[in-house]
Formats: sequence, structure tokens, C-alpha cells
Amino acid sequence: ETVMTQSPATLSVSPGNRATLSCRASQSVGVNLAWYQQKPGQAPRLLIYAASTRASGVPARFSGSGSGTEFTLTISSLQSEDFAVYYCQQYSNWPPVTFGGGTKVDIK
Amino acid sequence: EVQLLESGGGLVQPGGSLRLSCAASGFTFSNYAMSWVRQAPGKGLEWVSGISGIDYNTYYADPVKGRFIVSRDNSKNTLYLQMNSLRAEDTALYYCAKDFHPFVVVSGLLDYWGQGALVTVSS
Repeated sequence: ETVMTQSPATLSVSPGNRATLSCRASQSVGVNLAWYQQKPGQAPRLLIYAASTRASGVPARFSGSGSGTEFTLTISSLQSEDFAVYYCQQYSNWPPVTFGGGTKVDIK
Repeated sequence: EVQLLESGGGLVQPGGSLRLSCAASGFTFSNYAMSWVRQAPGKGLEWVSGISGIDYNTYYADPVKGRFIVSRDNSKNTLYLQMNSLRAEDTALYYCAKDFHPFVVVSGLLDYWGQGALVTVSS
């Protein structure tokens, strides 16, 4: 099973500032990496797939990068609606697909 | 508009059974693999099971293998999860989710999610 490790667990950021979230895979997943956003009481929402492709309707301030085992999600200028938990997920080596433990982005 | 609506959750005793359903609309259900993903209270996401669209191949995570059965009825646009021999650690919100790519075996890339069905296993 491919273990996904996210860091940090919590990231405190002021509105308008940049947030950088990291995700590491225990073995190469190529670019088969997705990022999801989850707000309290809501289902996860697909943000990024294929490591760097924004899903439909996702604002351009969200960007993804990386390949192999190291990945990054960057939110260029945090808006109030971006405070949430973010999960990375690999869909290369399955079953099972696996998720990271999440990074909570909260208001500084 | 894609919609996924789970039902069938509830309180069940350890060792008991429960069947979840997920009614899908807004897309050609038979063209897409579907998955179940769960989230224990206050915890992260855990993929549970997946089923391909047309040939009905099924896949399971190790913690549920041999206890859970995923199935689908393409004529009713409905996904199911039969959960047997339930344990306290199965307590979670269970989401059904649609695969991003059509016409493939389960990819695990999930673009639409339901709102979840809560399963509580407790005596």
C-alpha cells in the first residue's frame, strides 16, 4: 500500500497570503495525484488531478506541482472560503487508492 | 447536474449488517466506475471499495475484504454497499463517489461525492 504523508498538519495563514501544502508518497505515483478540499459538514471537492490540472470551476489561485513522490498544493492568495482541510490522494498504485492525513488551513 | 444521494445508514450492533444505497442522477451511470469512501468522526478519508461500470469488477480495501460487498444496478442507477460483521471501527460517514474517467476500470480519481450516510456500530 502506498502511504501518503501530508505536512504540516495545520497551517495558519492570514487572508491574502500564500499557503503551501506538501504531500509525500512512500513510492512513486507518477503524476497520479489529486488534491481535495473539505469544509466542515461538507463532502470533499476535487481541486486538482494529474498533479497539476485544475478541476472544472476551480479558481486559478489553486495550483499543484510535483511528480514521483513529492507534491505541492499552492494557494496563491487565501480567500475566506479557502479555509478548510486539504487531502492529497494517489490513484496510481491501487487497490487501494490512498489519502494523506490532511492539512487544515486555518485563519492566522 | 450530477447528484449522488446515499441512504441506509443508522445504528447497528457489533456483528450486525447494514446495506447502504446511493442513487445517482445527472450522468450515464453505467459508463462510470463508482467507489465508497468513509470518514470516521474527526478523521481523514479512507477508500473502502470500488466497482467498475460495465463488467462489474469489484475491489476492496483490506480492512473490509470478506465482510463488505459492493454492487450496482445500472437499470436503477444505484450503487450498493452490503456491510456484514460490522465492528466498532467501521463507524464512519460513508460517501459514494463517481469516478472521473468514463469507460475505465476503477481509477479512484473521484470527481463527485454524495453527502454521506452515517453508520454507527455500537452496543
